Amino acid sequence: DAGITQSPRHKVTETGTPVTLRCHQTENHRYMYWYRQDPGHGLRLIHYSYGVKDTDKGEVSDGYSVSRSKTEDFLLTLESATSSQTSVYFCAISGGYNQPQHFGDGTRLSIL
Amino acid sequence: AQTVTQSQPEMSVQEAETVTLSCTYDTSENNYYLFWYKQPPSRQMILVIRQEAYKQQNATENRFSVNFQKAAKSFSLKISDSQLGDTAMYFCAFANYGGSQGNLIFGKGTKLSVKP
Repeated sequence: DAGITQSPRHKVTETGTPVTLRCHQTENHRYMYWYRQDPGHGLRLIHYSYGVKDTDKGEVSDGYSVSRSKTEDFLLTLESATSSQTSVYFCAISGGYNQPQHFGDGTRLSIL
Repeated sequence: AQTVTQSQPEMSVQEAETVTLSCTYDTSENNYYLFWYKQPPSRQMILVIRQEAYKQQNATENRFSVNFQKAAKSFSLKISDSQLGDTAMYFCAFANYGGSQGNLIFGKGTKLSVKP
């Protein structure tokens, strides 16, 4: 299995609080991605990174920011969480833009 | 914009039987990849099979095979000799490697139940 660790695995927080999810990889892959999974929507891309300090927006980026200061870590931040951001969040990595993506185990985030 | 459609929200199959999951996609690009991912109740996303659009030969991985019809923009997954462990959500996904950094676009999924 690809060495991807997401933390935390579960989190419950209140509306308006900041939340940071972490994705850590041990594969030294260049590409990292954040997706959210909601019933009836499949997985949708939030942000992605194609190198240290190189990031770009995905389909559903509003309300989210990311940072990648090291190859192995990709952080997803909700500056002020809203109930609409309750979801399961997946991190994925790949060795190249034309290589398959491998996923972490997901973080279940509930915002009350 | 590219889209991926899975028209079967749920399917069931008897153990040891064969089942085919449907997927269609829409793109104007010529250089792309297609994938099937499996998500069992454990929530992991597991890559099942991958198809490069420039390859005419259909991909196979053990009991899993695809029927790739490029002109029809169709990419179905066939599971032979179904096993109880195949029970999962199955997602079809598309990646355009023409400049989107390989970002995946997913269908909404098909829930497959394998019955003993």
